[in-house]
Amino acid sequence: AQSVTQPDIHITVSEGASLELRCNYSYGATPYLFWYVQSPGQGLQLLLKYFSGDTLVQGIKGFEAEFKRSQSSFNLRKPSVHWSDAAEYFCAVGARNSGAGSYQLTFGKGTKLSVIP
Amino acid sequence: EPEVTQTPSHQVTQMGQEVILHCVPISNHLYFYWYRQILGQKVEFLVSFYNNEISEKSEIFDDQFSVERPDGSNFTLKIRSTKLEDSAMYFCASIRGRNYGYTFGSGTRLTVV
Repeated sequence: AQSVTQPDIHITVSEGASLELRCNYSYGATPYLFWYVQSPGQGLQLLLKYFSGDTLVQGIKGFEAEFKRSQSSFNLRKPSVHWSDAAEYFCAVGARNSGAGSYQLTFGKGTKLSVIP
Repeated sequence: EPEVTQTPSHQVTQMGQEVILHCVPISNHLYFYWYRQILGQKVEFLVSFYNNEISEKSEIFDDQFSVERPDGSNFTLKIRSTKLEDSAMYFCASIRGRNYGYTFGSGTRLTVV
């Protein structure tokens, strides 16, 4: 069965500093990989996704992530953090459903990002 | 931008009562899902729905749970006899096809007392 590990429960960075959130996955085939962001009391917003092709993926809000097959990782990065980036970030792997042609997500436990002004 | 709409945003129910959570997926999407997030825990898959039938379900999705698409727009999750441990945030999601990311609704917080 697939799994996702986000080793950092809570990260604090200063506004303007760079950010890297770690994600490792376990999946038997080439994965679909995702990063979602959740602000308090809100739903899950898709930041970026990887299905195939270029291993460096650009997303919304200036985020990017790099798929490294050899390390089973899909780390999220941003060169300069803004105070509005404070939220919880979830990495997820998509496992293909047999037959129906879609996939289901397995999420990590999330990393809470705090930003110091 | 199209949205997945969930109602109500917060539902309080007594243990043993039936509850129905409502979702309106994006109109041209084909696959529909329910996930839940117990406070402080991971977001967990419950069920996927395609072509008017369940395509996959998790171990959590037992006989107390059911889903329905009663018309062309709504997608509901019913819990027949709620338990305290059903208290969670329930997210509905939809996708157009397998090569697209999910669009999640803003969730329904279910509190069972």
